[in-house]
Amino acid sequence: GAGVSQSPRYKVAKRGQDVALRCDPISGHVSLFWYQQALGQGPEFLTYFQNEAQLDKSGLPSDRFFAERPEGSVSTLKIQRTQQEDSAVYLCASRRLAGGGELFFGEGSRLTVL
Amino acid sequence: AQSVTQPDIHITVSEGASLELRCNYSYGATPYLFWYVQSPGQGLQLLLKYFSGDTLVQGIKGFEAEFKRSQSSFNLRKPSVHWSDAAEYFCAVGPNTGFQKLVFGTGTRLLVSP
Repeated sequence: GAGVSQSPRYKVAKRGQDVALRCDPISGHVSLFWYQQALGQGPEFLTYFQNEAQLDKSGLPSDRFFAERPEGSVSTLKIQRTQQEDSAVYLCASRRLAGGGELFFGEGSRLTVL
Repeated sequence: AQSVTQPDIHITVSEGASLELRCNYSYGATPYLFWYVQSPGQGLQLLLKYFSGDTLVQGIKGFEAEFKRSQSSFNLRKPSVHWSDAAEYFCAVGPNTGFQKLVFGTGTRLLVSP
Protein backbone atom coordinates (compact mmCIF):
# COMPACT_ATOMS: atom_id res chain seq x y z
CA GLY A 1 0.00 0.00 0.00
CA ALA A 2 0.90 3.64 -0.16
CA GLY A 3 1.49 3.99 3.54
CA VAL A 4 1.34 2.17 6.85
CA SER A 5 -2.24 1.24 7.62
CA GLN A 6 -3.57 0.51 11.08
CA SER A 7 -6.92 -0.82 12.20
CA PRO A 8 -9.08 -0.20 14.01
CA ARG A 9 -8.44 3.53 14.29
CA TYR A 10 -10.47 3.64 17.50
CA LYS A 11 -11.26 0.88 19.95
CA VAL A 12 -13.19 1.07 23.19
CA ALA A 13 -12.85 -1.94 25.45
CA LYS A 14 -14.21 -2.83 28.84
CA ARG A 15 -11.62 -3.64 31.43
CA GLY A 16 -10.73 -7.30 31.19
CA GLN A 17 -11.49 -7.67 27.48
CA ASP A 18 -8.92 -8.82 24.96
CA VAL A 19 -8.09 -6.56 21.99
CA ALA A 20 -6.18 -7.05 18.75
CA LEU A 21 -4.65 -4.19 16.79
CA ARG A 22 -3.54 -4.69 13.22
CA CYS A 23 -0.73 -3.09 11.25
CA ASP A 24 -0.24 -3.32 7.48
CA PRO A 25 3.25 -1.98 6.76
CA ILE A 26 4.43 -0.61 3.46
CA SER A 27 4.89 -3.51 1.07
CA GLY A 28 8.41 -4.93 1.12
CA HIS A 29 9.46 -3.21 4.33
CA VAL A 30 11.70 -5.42 6.42
CA SER A 31 11.50 -3.59 9.72
CA LEU A 32 8.36 -3.13 11.78
CA PHE A 33 8.03 -1.35 15.13
CA TRP A 34 5.23 -0.94 17.63
CA TYR A 35 5.18 2.13 19.89
CA GLN A 36 2.79 3.13 22.66
CA GLN A 37 1.88 6.81 23.05
CA ALA A 38 0.07 7.75 26.24
CA LEU A 39 -1.83 11.01 26.40
CA GLY A 40 0.55 13.96 26.50
CA GLN A 41 3.62 11.78 26.11
CA GLY A 42 6.01 10.84 23.37
CA PRO A 43 5.92 7.41 21.76
CA GLU A 44 7.57 4.63 23.74
CA PHE A 45 9.08 1.55 22.12
CA LEU A 46 7.23 -1.72 22.56
CA THR A 47 8.70 -4.23 20.13
CA TYR A 48 10.61 -4.70 16.87
CA PHE A 49 10.35 -7.22 14.04
CA GLN A 50 12.81 -7.90 11.28
CA ASN A 51 10.74 -9.80 8.75
CA GLU A 52 8.94 -12.43 10.83
CA ALA A 53 11.50 -12.50 13.63
CA GLN A 54 10.73 -10.56 16.80
CA LEU A 55 14.20 -9.33 17.68
CA ASP A 56 13.33 -7.08 20.60
CA LYS A 57 10.30 -7.14 22.86
CA SER A 58 11.89 -5.38 25.78
CA GLY A 59 9.33 -2.57 25.77
CA LEU A 60 6.24 -4.72 26.21
CA PRO A 61 4.82 -3.61 29.59
CA SER A 62 3.64 -7.01 30.77
CA ASP A 63 2.96 -10.56 29.67
CA ARG A 64 -0.54 -9.41 28.73
CA PHE A 65 0.99 -7.83 25.63
CA PHE A 66 1.85 -10.05 22.69
CA ALA A 67 2.86 -9.20 19.13
CA GLU A 68 3.34 -11.31 16.05
CA ARG A 69 4.24 -10.97 12.39
CA PRO A 70 3.96 -14.54 11.15
CA GLU A 71 4.61 -13.99 7.44
CA GLY A 72 6.85 -10.99 7.69
CA SER A 73 4.25 -8.48 6.55
CA VAL A 74 1.08 -7.81 8.57
CA SER A 75 1.56 -7.56 12.32
CA THR A 76 -0.90 -7.86 15.17
CA LEU A 77 -0.51 -6.46 18.67
CA LYS A 78 -2.70 -8.29 21.15
CA ILE A 79 -3.51 -7.11 24.64
CA GLN A 80 -5.15 -9.57 26.97
CA ARG A 81 -7.29 -8.66 29.97
CA THR A 82 -7.05 -4.94 29.24
CA GLN A 83 -6.52 -2.50 32.10
CA GLN A 84 -7.23 1.22 32.24
CA GLU A 85 -3.52 1.99 32.10
CA ASP A 86 -3.42 0.37 28.66
CA SER A 87 -5.38 3.31 27.26
CA ALA A 88 -3.10 4.93 24.69
CA VAL A 89 -2.47 5.34 20.99
CA TYR A 90 -0.60 2.39 19.55
CA LEU A 91 1.61 3.38 16.65
CA CYS A 92 3.05 1.06 14.06
CA ALA A 93 6.02 2.04 11.92
CA SER A 94 7.89 0.33 9.12
CA ARG A 95 11.20 0.80 7.35
CA ARG A 96 12.50 -0.63 4.12
CA LEU A 97 15.77 -1.86 5.56
CA ALA A 98 16.87 -3.55 8.74
CA GLY A 99 18.99 -0.55 9.70
CA GLY A 100 19.04 2.99 8.42
CA GLY A 101 16.52 4.78 6.28
CA GLU A 102 13.35 6.59 7.10
CA LEU A 103 10.78 5.21 9.49
CA PHE A 104 7.18 5.56 8.25
CA PHE A 105 4.45 5.75 10.87
CA GLY A 106 0.81 4.79 10.64
CA GLU A 107 -1.94 7.00 12.05
CA GLY A 108 -2.25 4.83 15.11
CA SER A 109 -4.96 2.90 16.91
CA ARG A 110 -6.46 4.74 19.86
CA LEU A 111 -7.44 2.32 22.61
CA THR A 112 -9.69 3.45 25.44
CA VAL A 113 -10.26 1.02 28.29
CA LEU A 114 -13.28 1.76 30.46
CA ALA B 1 20.38 5.56 29.89
CA GLN B 2 19.20 7.27 26.76
CA SER B 3 16.82 10.17 27.21
CA VAL B 4 15.47 13.17 25.37
CA THR B 5 14.30 16.36 27.03
CA GLN B 6 12.03 18.86 25.36
CA PRO B 7 11.71 21.55 28.02
CA ASP B 8 8.84 23.45 26.42
CA ILE B 9 5.45 21.77 26.60
CA HIS B 10 3.70 24.53 24.67
CA ILE B 11 4.98 27.36 22.52
CA THR B 12 2.91 30.08 20.86
CA VAL B 13 4.38 31.94 17.91
CA SER B 14 2.87 34.61 15.73
CA GLU B 15 2.48 33.73 12.08
CA GLY B 16 5.53 34.95 10.18
CA ALA B 17 7.74 34.99 13.26
CA SER B 18 10.76 32.75 13.73
CA LEU B 19 10.64 29.53 15.72
CA GLU B 20 13.09 27.54 17.79
CA LEU B 21 12.14 24.33 19.58
CA ARG B 22 14.64 22.99 22.07
CA CYS B 23 15.86 19.42 22.39
CA ASN B 24 18.53 18.06 24.70
CA TYR B 25 19.58 14.45 24.72
CA SER B 26 21.55 12.09 26.87
CA TYR B 27 23.28 9.31 25.01
CA GLY B 28 26.40 7.26 25.63
CA ALA B 29 27.67 7.14 22.08
CA THR B 30 27.35 9.04 18.84
CA PRO B 31 23.63 9.32 18.31
CA TYR B 32 21.34 9.57 15.38
CA LEU B 33 18.94 12.48 15.96
CA PHE B 34 15.51 13.10 14.50
CA TRP B 35 12.67 15.59 14.53
CA TYR B 36 9.14 14.37 13.82
CA VAL B 37 5.88 16.32 13.49
CA GLN B 38 2.47 14.98 14.45
CA SER B 39 -0.73 16.71 13.39
CA PRO B 40 -3.97 15.83 15.22
CA GLY B 41 -5.13 12.34 14.33
CA GLN B 42 -2.11 11.75 12.13
CA GLY B 43 0.97 9.61 12.35
CA LEU B 44 4.41 11.01 12.87
CA GLN B 45 6.15 12.51 9.86
CA LEU B 46 9.90 12.85 9.65
CA LEU B 47 11.05 16.47 9.35
CA LEU B 48 14.79 15.92 9.33
CA LYS B 49 17.57 13.75 10.69
CA TYR B 50 21.21 14.01 11.65
CA PHE B 51 23.52 11.06 11.16
CA SER B 52 26.95 12.63 10.67
CA GLY B 53 28.80 15.36 8.83
CA ASP B 54 27.51 18.89 8.58
CA THR B 55 25.96 19.82 11.91
CA LEU B 56 23.31 22.02 10.30
CA VAL B 57 20.72 19.85 8.59
CA GLN B 58 17.89 20.93 6.36
CA GLY B 59 14.53 19.26 6.35
CA ILE B 60 11.15 19.48 4.77
CA LYS B 61 8.73 22.39 5.05
CA GLY B 62 11.56 24.89 5.56
CA PHE B 63 12.76 23.45 8.87
CA GLU B 64 16.40 23.11 9.91
CA ALA B 65 18.18 21.83 12.99
CA GLU B 66 21.65 22.24 14.40
CA PHE B 67 23.54 19.50 16.21
CA LYS B 68 25.74 20.83 19.01
CA ARG B 69 27.70 18.01 20.57
CA SER B 70 29.16 20.18 23.35
CA GLN B 71 25.67 21.14 24.49
CA SER B 72 24.00 17.78 23.72
CA SER B 73 21.39 19.72 21.82
CA PHE B 74 19.55 19.40 18.54
CA ASN B 75 17.27 22.44 18.31
CA LEU B 76 14.73 22.83 15.54
CA ARG B 77 14.34 26.17 13.79
CA LYS B 78 12.22 27.82 11.14
CA PRO B 79 12.69 31.43 10.02
CA SER B 80 9.02 32.17 9.33
CA VAL B 81 6.18 30.11 10.77
CA HIS B 82 2.98 29.41 8.84
CA TRP B 83 -0.40 28.65 10.40
CA SER B 84 -0.18 25.13 8.98
CA ASP B 85 2.88 24.46 11.16
CA ALA B 86 0.66 24.20 14.24
CA ALA B 87 1.22 20.65 15.48
CA GLU B 88 3.13 18.56 18.02
CA TYR B 89 6.87 18.22 17.49
CA PHE B 90 8.93 15.34 18.80
CA CYS B 91 12.68 15.04 19.07
CA ALA B 92 14.10 11.52 19.07
CA VAL B 93 17.47 9.86 19.52
CA GLY B 94 18.67 6.45 18.38
CA PRO B 95 21.85 4.43 18.02
CA ASN B 96 23.90 4.46 14.86
CA THR B 97 24.01 0.68 14.86
CA GLY B 98 21.55 -2.17 14.98
CA PHE B 99 17.93 -1.67 14.21
CA GLN B 100 17.88 1.84 15.66
CA LYS B 101 15.23 1.79 18.33
CA LEU B 102 14.23 5.40 18.92
CA VAL B 103 13.74 7.19 22.23
CA PHE B 104 11.36 10.13 21.96
CA GLY B 105 10.94 13.28 23.98
CA THR B 106 7.58 14.25 25.43
CA GLY B 107 6.91 16.69 22.63
CA THR B 108 6.30 20.42 22.21
CA ARG B 109 2.94 21.65 21.04
CA LEU B 110 3.24 24.60 18.69
CA LEU B 111 0.39 27.07 18.51
CA VAL B 112 0.43 29.72 15.77
CA SER B 113 -1.42 32.96 16.41
CA PRO B 114 -2.66 35.18 13.57
